[in-house]
Amino acid sequence: EAGVTQFPSHSVIEKGQTVTLRCDPISGHDNLYWYRRVMGKEIKFLLHFVKESKQDESGMPNNRFLAERTGGTYSTLKVQPAELEDSGVYFCASSQAFGLGAGELFFGEGSRLTVL
Amino acid sequence: QKEVEQDPGPLSVPEGAIVSLNCTYSNSAFQYFMWYRQYSRKGPELLMYTYSSGNKEDGRFTAQVDKSSKYISLFIRDSQPSDSATYLCAMKRTNAGKSTFGDGTTLTVKP
Repeated sequence: EAGVTQFPSHSVIEKGQTVTLRCDPISGHDNLYWYRRVMGKEIKFLLHFVKESKQDESGMPNNRFLAERTGGTYSTLKVQPAELEDSGVYFCASSQAFGLGAGELFFGEGSRLTVL
Repeated sequence: QKEVEQDPGPLSVPEGAIVSLNCTYSNSAFQYFMWYRQYSRKGPELLMYTYSSGNKEDGRFTAQVDKSSKYISLFIRDSQPSDSATYLCAMKRTNAGKSTFGDGTTLTVKP
């Protein structure tokens, strides 16, 4: 069974440009999460989808970030326009359970974003 | 103040040593306590989790939670070079989706 896949693995863009990151969760996982790790800091929650609905977007830093999950399958995270402080590794994770139990998160390998 | 503080490391130990990794937290609403392992350029993978206080053992790994002290630990016995990785503690509330992570501790086990 395929794990969580993310694309691209690495993106280098200029400040002010737009980047779109994609995540394909494990098949059948209704819960999809985006997390981000900025260099030297902890992995921070960005938002949580249950199917196509945003369950919790409290971690989204500002309105330059837009996440979508069309049809409850794959998700995209768009950063527009990108700023220097957006550089980091963006992780996508998926899980079957939400709430009950620990809801084991399965992470992708991450998309590394470098904004110059 | 961060909700989760993790001993920063890095840690370097000889093969066979016992390793102790620790986190403290401030949010008393956390009920699930997880340990993730992350190899370089990979995503975190769940090692084990504990609900509320107590101990849990899985092979060479033991997780301990002391809710009264808001302190959690992961012990690795007979450490192996393959255990070299970054270890992340994470916590979540019951019925919550998001997890809150510590900064991670990088462990190197030398043969």
